[in-house]
Amino acid sequence: EAGVVQSPRYKIIEKKQPVAFWCNPISGHNTLYWYLQNLGQGPELLIRYENEEAVDDSQLPKDRFSAERLKGVDSTLKIQPAELGDSAVYLCASSPGQGWQEQYFGPGTRLTVT
Amino acid sequence: DQQVKQNSPSLSVQEGRISILNCDYTNSMFDYFLWYKKYPAEGPTFLISISSIKDKNEDGRFTVFLNKSAKHLSLHIVPSQPGDSAVYFCAASITGTASKLTFGTGTRLQVTL
Repeated sequence: EAGVVQSPRYKIIEKKQPVAFWCNPISGHNTLYWYLQNLGQGPELLIRYENEEAVDDSQLPKDRFSAERLKGVDSTLKIQPAELGDSAVYLCASSPGQGWQEQYFGPGTRLTVT
Repeated sequence: DQQVKQNSPSLSVQEGRISILNCDYTNSMFDYFLWYKKYPAEGPTFLISISSIKDKNEDGRFTVFLNKSAKHLSLHIVPSQPGDSAVYFCAASITGTASKLTFGTGTRLQVTL
């Protein structure tokens, strides 16, 4: 069974540029999460989807971050414009459905903003 | 406000010995706890979990202990193997809050030969 797929794995951009990350969850998983992980910290939730609905985006900085999960399968997270402080690893995770406690993570995208 | 704390940033253990990783939490509403292992350039991998109705859960070489009164849990790895060298994250959630996980800052375990 394929795991959570993320691309790109690494991205280097200049500040003020836009950037997008893509995630394809495990087949059949209805719940999808985007996390931010800063160096030396644990992952922090940005947004959670149940199918195509964003049910928890309280931690998403909506002035520059946006996300979508069209058709309830793969998802895109966008930053526009990027700032130096956005340099981090962006992790996508999925789980079979609401109430399922264990989450399965992709390898992440390491973003460097210069 | 760090609700889940892993106060030891690193731990070094000899191969074959026991590794004990600790985690403390402050939110008494947490009732489900998980441990994840992370290798460099990979995402966290689920390792083992425990519900607050238990005080111990075992899976092969890995055992998690929960002390609710102390708001403390620990992960024991016996015997430790070089392949266990990784960063271990403790995470907590509240059942019914749709699996929102709160992570600790991680402990880097190095198993030496």
